[in-house]
Amino acid sequence: AQSVTQPDIHITVSEGASLELRCNYSYGATPYLFWYVQSPGQGLQLLLKYFSGDTLVQGIKGFEAEFKRSQSSFNLRKPSVHWSDAAEYFCAVGANSGNTPLVFGKGTRLSVIA
Amino acid sequence: EAGVVQSPRYKIIEKKQPVAFWCNPISGHNTLYWYLQNLGQGPELLIRYENEEAVDDSQLPKDRFSAERLKGVDSTLKIQPAELGDSAVYLCASSFGTVDTGELFFGEGSRLTVL
Repeated sequence: AQSVTQPDIHITVSEGASLELRCNYSYGATPYLFWYVQSPGQGLQLLLKYFSGDTLVQGIKGFEAEFKRSQSSFNLRKPSVHWSDAAEYFCAVGANSGNTPLVFGKGTRLSVIA
Repeated sequence: EAGVVQSPRYKIIEKKQPVAFWCNPISGHNTLYWYLQNLGQGPELLIRYENEEAVDDSQLPKDRFSAERLKGVDSTLKIQPAELGDSAVYLCASSFGTVDTGELFFGEGSRLTVL
């Protein structure tokens, strides 16, 4: 079964600074990987996904993530953080067999300070 | 296009009382999911429907939880009786197609508080 680890529970960055949120996964084959964002009181919104091909994927809101098979990682990055990026970020892994559910990490809460 | 709609957004009940949550998925989405999100945790799958059929309910506590998706469209999740530990956010999501590619669209959730 697949699993996801997000090592950072809470990260604080200054507005305009760069951001990297870590995600490590465990799965025996090539996984499907996702990053979702959840603003307070809201549902989860898909930021980006990786299924195959180019290991650097671009998402919405200026986010990108890089799949590194050798490190079993799928870290989320943004070059310049905006105050509106403050939210909870969840990494998720799915099996490419297509019939198993997504497994989510516990999330990383991002705070943005002026 | 309307997103996934859930109701109620908030519900406060006494323990041992019943509660029900309703979800209307995005039009045309065959697959519907109910997730449980405890405070400070990621969502955990309770049940997944493909059309009317519950294809994965292994994590649904069947002694007190039940769900249905009549006519393969909207769905109801029920808890009876509720316990203090059921306080959480119940998220509904939907996706297009019957193969789970993980491209889920989530509702805003129903926050349950059990007193």
